Amino acid sequence: DAGITQSPRHKVTETGTPVTLRCHQTENHRYMYWYRQDPGHGLRLIHYSYGVKDTDKGEVSDGYSVSRSKTEDFLLTLESATSSQTSVYFCAISEGDVYGYTFGSGTRLTVV
Amino acid sequence: GNSVTQMEGPVTLSEEAFLTINCTYTATGYPSLFWYVQYPGEGLQLLLKATKADDKGSNKGFEATYRKETTSFHLEKGSVQVSDSAVYFCALTNPSGGGADGLTFGKGTHLIIQP
Repeated sequence: DAGITQSPRHKVTETGTPVTLRCHQTENHRYMYWYRQDPGHGLRLIHYSYGVKDTDKGEVSDGYSVSRSKTEDFLLTLESATSSQTSVYFCAISEGDVYGYTFGSGTRLTVV
Repeated sequence: GNSVTQMEGPVTLSEEAFLTINCTYTATGYPSLFWYVQYPGEGLQLLLKATKADDKGSNKGFEATYRKETTSFHLEKGSVQVSDSAVYFCALTNPSGGGADGLTFGKGTHLIIQP
């Protein structure tokens, strides 16, 4: 969807290095989310934001931090990447449950 | 907590067959219910949704009815095509989350349609 972009699309990094993924929206939606997708697990929520500087933890937040300094940007940081964080990461935006959620195209992260 | 259960598959059907993908959920209160579809190498796209009991969501020949009494939201299509091959996710919102804390997903059902 043109209203939400993720960068980078692919990344390979080494164990122990910091990594930051970016989600950028042009829809001015209030809520933003980071999910990870793994085989056999579906999508699991990492962190979410309900406004600038307002964030909270999701189901699988250990090892991840987030920041939202502007409405349009939501950053996901792996402070010290581990092999268990190899996954596909999706960002999503929403204006509330009844409106649904729009997902980005994903970032495939490989930690070697 | 909230949870969604759906068959994982793969589910393999012939073109023009009838499709049912079962989805049941556990939640306190009245969640909104969604079906998302993911084509190979792509993100998730909203297929259909229902926000209250007995609502029917429909799109592209797919439909699902929100059944509060059986806590289900089964996805159906009368005649599938090869282009329907994808992974389908059932999801719900947290009724007590105030609209902020995102979706809870099932594990996804991989659908393969053979010509």
